[in-house]
Amino acid sequence: QQQVKQSPQSLIVQKGGISIINCAYENTAFDYFPWYQQFPGKGPALLIAIRPDVSEKKEGRFTISFNKSAKQFSLHIMDSQPGDSATYFCAASNGQETSGSRLTFGEGTQLTVNP
Amino acid sequence: KAGVTQTPRYLIKTRGQQVTLSCSPISGHRSVSWYQQTPGQGLQFLFEYFSETQRNKGNFPGRFSGRQFSNSRSEMNVSTLELGDSALYLCASSRWTGNYGYTFGSGTRLTVV
Repeated sequence: QQQVKQSPQSLIVQKGGISIINCAYENTAFDYFPWYQQFPGKGPALLIAIRPDVSEKKEGRFTISFNKSAKQFSLHIMDSQPGDSATYFCAASNGQETSGSRLTFGEGTQLTVNP
Repeated sequence: KAGVTQTPRYLIKTRGQQVTLSCSPISGHRSVSWYQQTPGQGLQFLFEYFSETQRNKGNFPGRFSGRQFSNSRSEMNVSTLELGDSALYLCASSRWTGNYGYTFGSGTRLTVV
């Protein structure tokens, strides 16, 4: 019940296209859903995050869509650029100040944006 | 401001040995978490420390332990190393514990031979 399923495993898009990565979760106690971007040799970097009281959050070219009833959320990268080529991880957490926090990560999506 | 600093960046150890990894969080951050990243298992949570107390622990054997000091710096120890412990160990820090964005370091690449 703690799993987060992510798809696709790999994704190739053309420059200027839209990249879409999907995640699904089972644990309804999750209430924080971040996306991380990881380049080779680096740690994951927080890209954008959403809480379940909103259905969409946009920051620049990155948008999270959240469907609470379906227990699914997705990352949309508009106008994809070669510099966006990286591995993307969705994650979920139900952390509390009293009990601490842990991120449960999806399996990752290797995104390649061709010039 | 300085990011999360992990030392060493690379480490090669022999089976049966023990290893200690170090993490210096961003100044002012009091929560430090550790994650193991492998190609097969992905990113898995090890434990979290906040104000020198372990707040949360993942599903790893007792050979994996950690601690946090009063300046929020943290160390992770793995005893009796096994080949399967070869991984990238990532440290992440946040100002508070709970549902907040964590900043990750670049990790320590541990190879067990």
